[in-house]
Amino acid sequence: GENVEQHPSTLSVQEGDSAVIKCTYSDSASNYFPWYKQELGKRPQLIIDIRSNVGEKKDQRIAVTLNKTAKHFSLHITETQPEDSAVYFCAASIAPVGDYKLSFGAGTTVTVRA
Amino acid sequence: DGGITQSPKYLFRKEGQNVTLSCEQNLNHDAMYWYRQDPGQGLRLIYYSQIVNDFQKGDIAEGYSVSREKKESFPLTVTSAQKNPTAFYLCASSINVGRGRGEQYFGPGTRLTVT
Repeated sequence: GENVEQHPSTLSVQEGDSAVIKCTYSDSASNYFPWYKQELGKRPQLIIDIRSNVGEKKDQRIAVTLNKTAKHFSLHITETQPEDSAVYFCAASIAPVGDYKLSFGAGTTVTVRA
Repeated sequence: DGGITQSPKYLFRKEGQNVTLSCEQNLNHDAMYWYRQDPGQGLRLIYYSQIVNDFQKGDIAEGYSVSREKKESFPLTVTSAQKNPTAFYLCASSINVGRGRGEQYFGPGTRLTVT
C-alpha cells in the first residue's frame, strides 16, 4: 500500500517568516494530494489540495508544489501568523479511480513565535 | 464544519467492555471512513465504506467492527479484542468515485479512554 513520510515532525518559525513541510510518497499511481490543518482538540480541515496534472497551486499565503518524478510534494506557508500554529498533515490517494482511501503522513507541529 | 457529527465527545469505558461510537452525516456523501489518531502519529484508517451495506477493512481493523445500514450513519464498535483502544477517533465522509475531487470532511472526533 501507499506509504507517506512527512518531515519535519516539528517546526518553529518566527512570525512573518515562511514555513515549509515536505512529504514523500511511495505509490507512483497516487494522483491526489491534500493537506489538512488540525488545531489543538479540533477536527482536521482541508486547507489545500493538488492533483498530479498540476505542479503548483496557491491560495493566498499557502501553496503546494508537486514533483511527480521524485514523488514528493511540499506545503509552503508565507508570512506566517500566530493562527497558523497547528498540526499539518499531508496525504495521498489514487483518485478519482480507486476508493479515495487516503494515506496520511505522521504530521508536523508548527509553532509560530510572536 | 457542520454536516458530520460524532457522539459522544468523550467516552470512558472499563477494559473488557465493547463500546460503539456514533457518526452521522447529512451531506449526502457516499463514502464514510473511520480513523484512529494517537499522539505523534498520523491518522490511521480503521474501516471505510463506499456504499450502503458494504465496507472494507483499513490498515488497523483488528478489534473493531462497523455497519453501514443507512447512507447517513457509520457506527464503529470498539470490541474487547482491541489491545490498546484508548485514542482519538475521527469519522470522515466524501463524495464517491467519479463525482468529486476526493476530499474528505471530518467530524469533531470522540476521545475514548479505556481503563
